[in-house]
Amino acid sequence: DAGITQSPRHKVTETGTPVTLRCHQTENHRYMYWYRQDPGHGLRLIHYSYGVKDTDKGEVSDGYSVSRSKTEDFLLTLESATSSQTSVYFCAISLTGDTEAFFGQGTRLTVV
Amino acid sequence: KNEVEQSPQNLTAQEGEFITINCSYSVGISALHWLQQHPGGGIVSLFMLSSGKKKHGRLIATINIQEKHSSLHITASHPRDSAVYICAVPAVSDDKIIFGKGTRLHILP
Repeated sequence: DAGITQSPRHKVTETGTPVTLRCHQTENHRYMYWYRQDPGHGLRLIHYSYGVKDTDKGEVSDGYSVSRSKTEDFLLTLESATSSQTSVYFCAISLTGDTEAFFGQGTRLTVV
Repeated sequence: KNEVEQSPQNLTAQEGEFITINCSYSVGISALHWLQQHPGGGIVSLFMLSSGKKKHGRLIATINIQEKHSSLHITASHPRDSAVYICAVPAVSDDKIIFGKGTRLHILP
């Protein structure tokens, strides 16, 4: 299996609190992505990174920020969590080009 | 307009049946991915293909670049094949990935 792990796997947090999700890869891949998956919407891109300190917004980036200070780690932060951010979050690498795609196991986040 | 269309959206079949899931796209691509997600589970890459055909066990994926169409076939389907199958297309014009909405497959024993 590809070395891509997400942490935490499950989290319950209160509205208004900050939350950071971590994606860690050992594949040395340039591209990393954060998606959220909700019923009826499929996978929606939040942010992605194409290198250290190089990030860009996806289609549902409002309320989220990201950072990538080193190749292996891509952090997703909810500055002030809201109930609409309750979702399953997936990190992925290697989705562009002609290499196999790899996804993290997912993080189930509940904002109460 | 969704640039990646999958059909059918839902499919229920009996164990042993031959299954076909289709994916059509409208953008120029370098490759196409087929992904599998079991209920409550993670997402696994089944195939990445840019031309022709690939086979892995009972799964076969084909792509026709000229017609912008790909199919995923499952031979001798089994209840453990029940999952959502997702087609994903990296657009050559930028770094974005376009996902189909998925096909929910249910194989009855």
